[in-house]
Amino acid sequence: QVQHHESGPGLVKPSETLSVTCSVSGGAVNSSSYWWAWIRQSPGEGLEWIGTIRYRGATAYNPSLERRVTIVADTSKNQLFLRLTSVTAADTAVYYCARGLWYRFDSWGQGTLVTVSS
Amino acid sequence: QSVLTQPPSASGSRGQSLTISCTGTSTDVGRSIYVSWFQQYPGKAPRLMIYEVNKRPSGVPDRFSGSRSGNTASLSISGLQAEDEADYYCNAYAGGDSFVFGTGTKVTVL
Repeated sequence: QVQHHESGPGLVKPSETLSVTCSVSGGAVNSSSYWWAWIRQSPGEGLEWIGTIRYRGATAYNPSLERRVTIVADTSKNQLFLRLTSVTAADTAVYYCARGLWYRFDSWGQGTLVTVSS
Repeated sequence: QSVLTQPPSASGSRGQSLTISCTGTSTDVGRSIYVSWFQQYPGKAPRLMIYEVNKRPSGVPDRFSGSRSGNTASLSISGLQAEDEADYYCNAYAGGDSFVFGTGTKVTVL
């Protein structure tokens, strides 16, 4: 059974780059059977889709974040990475890694809280 | 890319039924069958409850059901139970490998 969990820095300073990792076990991160997405939730707010990465690395990003976001997969480490540049307090959120099947988010990690503050 | 509109809150007594709406456009909710619903308890990750408008993953009680009419999807909960008290979010495929979430509805069981 494929399992995954997120890890992150906890605290990032404004204008710096936020990097969050999703570690996958029990299956290959680049399997053709599923895909991956990053989703975030600011404190007390709703869910926001950040982006998606599919088999062979094809990506799609939320237009509101596209200029600042990068999602990559490292098959040697079986991990996914989210990078968000030039962060502000508005990027403070719990960042979730979710597995996708067809067009649904099938399972979610427990999330990692990243706070942007000086 | 706009969010889908949900009522901020909904409530019902134990044993009663409740329906939550999720209104979008022809480019998301009305675009395809790929509409999902998630349940989220405070401090926990969301859980998939409904996918492809009206399908339930294994383990989800049949008290939960989904439907859609035009650009509005709905989640219905029958026989409300205390453990149904949570936040619920709809989600739709919006084309070009993009997705959009609803604003969320807090369900209270009286």
